[in-house]
Amino acid sequence: KQEVTQIPAALSVPEGENLVLNCSFTDSAIYNLQWFRQDPGKGLTSLLLIQSSQREQTSGRLNASLDKSSGRSTLYIAASQPGDSATYLCAVKTGGGNKLTFGTGTQLKVEL
Amino acid sequence: NAGVTQTPKFRILKIGQSMTLQCTQDMNHNYMYWYRQDPGMGLKLIYYSVGAGITDKGEVPNGYNVSRSTTEDFPLRLELAAPSQTSVYFCATDGTLGGAFFGQGTRLTVV
Repeated sequence: KQEVTQIPAALSVPEGENLVLNCSFTDSAIYNLQWFRQDPGKGLTSLLLIQSSQREQTSGRLNASLDKSSGRSTLYIAASQPGDSATYLCAVKTGGGNKLTFGTGTQLKVEL
Repeated sequence: NAGVTQTPKFRILKIGQSMTLQCTQDMNHNYMYWYRQDPGMGLKLIYYSVGAGITDKGEVPNGYNVSRSTTEDFPLRLELAAPSQTSVYFCATDGTLGGAFFGQGTRLTVV
């Protein structure tokens, strides 16, 4: 059974810092890995999608890497801003219905 | 450009009542999913569908039922609501290469 772990569970940083969120998974037989952002009381917004054949994806200040063999992904946020405050979730897709397995998320607070 | 639409956004049910959470998508995706999210927990898969007429159980299916008569719609039925079903419910679709897309959620309270 696939299990996804995210560390840290919560993180508070001053504005402008670069930061790294971690995601690990137990079964390396994945199709892809997706990072989401969730604001309080809202739905999930997709940030980055990395296919199993890819090593990284970038979008603006966000960069996500994937090391499938070691079961790890990192989300790098450059020059953090208060508007980045949210919960960040990673999810891996495995076969048999293309199901997503989610981590429990990292709650990020960027302070002025 | 609606994407994935869920209704209602909020609902309060009494114990033992039934209801249907609606989900519709306009992206012509074959894969659709229902998740529930409890405070401090990740999303748990309730049911999923790989296409019209085909559904299967996820990790936490007890107390729920689904149907998939069309590509667009994937309703989730709660029978005999219980306090343990108080949660936020998310419907999602999967465009395979494009990743998953989520609705805005339905916040359900059972009292």
